[in-house]
Amino acid sequence: EPEVTQTPSHQVTQMGQEVILRCVPISNHLYFYWYRQILGQKVEFLVSFYNNEISEKSEIFDDQFSVERPDGSNFTLKIRSTKLEDSAMYFCASRGHSKNIQYFGAGTRLSVL
Amino acid sequence: GDSVTQMEGPVTLSEEAFLTINCTYTATGYPSLFWYVQYPGEGLQLLLKATKADDKGSNKGFEATYRKETTSFHLEKGSVQVSDSAVYFCALSPTGGYQKVTFGTGTKLQVIP
Repeated sequence: EPEVTQTPSHQVTQMGQEVILRCVPISNHLYFYWYRQILGQKVEFLVSFYNNEISEKSEIFDDQFSVERPDGSNFTLKIRSTKLEDSAMYFCASRGHSKNIQYFGAGTRLSVL
Repeated sequence: GDSVTQMEGPVTLSEEAFLTINCTYTATGYPSLFWYVQYPGEGLQLLLKATKADDKGSNKGFEATYRKETTSFHLEKGSVQVSDSAVYFCALSPTGGYQKVTFGTGTKLQVIP
């Protein structure tokens, strides 16, 4: 069964460093999303991406965040200068055109020290 | 905006007990409703869904019915197993737009032998 793949599974970084989280969505999907889950809290929407541009973003998704689909298969989330409060599990999701079902990856745990 | 409220956890049950996890929602229009499950150390998996009023989603012995009149989508299982121990998230997604998913806070279920 097709699945969303995220790498790495765990990323440790120093405060102020840039990180890139990578996702490979399901191949024929057109809509892509990033969510995050701070430990013990709810899963929160960050951004949606369609037709090579951001379609919606939350207030969490400030200028420190960016997304890109560099090569038609990968979908990345970049955090330019990480803060301690960016420590969380980050989930990528993708969706096909017709079905309102998002498929989630296993997540990347980001630890900012 | 859209929101999902689900019962606080943790919920501790003995094996073969009956499970109910309550979920209510606030949304405009007719959203799709979901239950996602997160097993320890893993990502989010879609457990079941319902897309219109009175639909019943079911999977692996779990069921939930889309109740428009009470804006509810309660999760039930007749006989839980130790392997059902996980965090369960109720969620919704609008039928239009880019369909970001709004999650509840999650309910941790622990099933003891």
